[in-house]
Amino acid sequence: ELKVEQNPLFLSMQEGKNYTIYCNYSTTSDRLYWYRQDPGKSLESLFVLLSNGAVKQEGRLMASLDTKARLSTLHITAAVHDLSATYFCAVDMNTNAGKSTFGDGTTLTVKP
Amino acid sequence: GAVVSQHPSWVICKSGTSVKIECRSLDFQATTMFWYRQFPKQSLMLMATSNEGSKATYEQGVEKDKFLINHASLTLSTLTVTSAHPEDSSFYICSASLLRGFSPLHFGNGTRLTVT
Repeated sequence: ELKVEQNPLFLSMQEGKNYTIYCNYSTTSDRLYWYRQDPGKSLESLFVLLSNGAVKQEGRLMASLDTKARLSTLHITAAVHDLSATYFCAVDMNTNAGKSTFGDGTTLTVKP
Repeated sequence: GAVVSQHPSWVICKSGTSVKIECRSLDFQATTMFWYRQFPKQSLMLMATSNEGSKATYEQGVEKDKFLINHASLTLSTLTVTSAHPEDSSFYICSASLLRGFSPLHFGNGTRLTVT
């Protein structure tokens, strides 16, 4: 059974600071996704990471994937209030592509 | 592109009634769609995989007779919550993928179901 663990689950940070969210998963996979969810809303795709060493950046967010360590990181640079949301990583099993298992989510609050 | 439309956005119903939720892929064909359930401040729980033209595949612990899924066309999947009870109150989200396993899931806007 594929397990996906995120940490921290809750993160409160000051504007302008940097921080990293971690996503560990339990079985071999080379498909990892990061999503954002605003309160009361559905999920929005942020990044798709499909190979070992993949790095994607969009604005103040950068995601990376280490398939050997079964670890992905989502790095936040110089946080701003608009980044406040819940971030989920999700992993597909190689044998069941398209059927994603989600982490518990990291709720980020950026304070002025 | 890759827009998934879900309807209704919210619904309030009385115990014992049934509620149908629609999920449509507007600009692509989705042979597979997924239905998730999310409780407040929790992650998404996969309920079932909806396959066009065949029976849905349900996750362990999900009652297939209670959560009826129909995927009659390449652009429409429906989830019917039958004989709803207050414990069925939740946020239900559908999703679809353009290229199975190589693209992210595109989510509908979700349906907030409240059973009174």
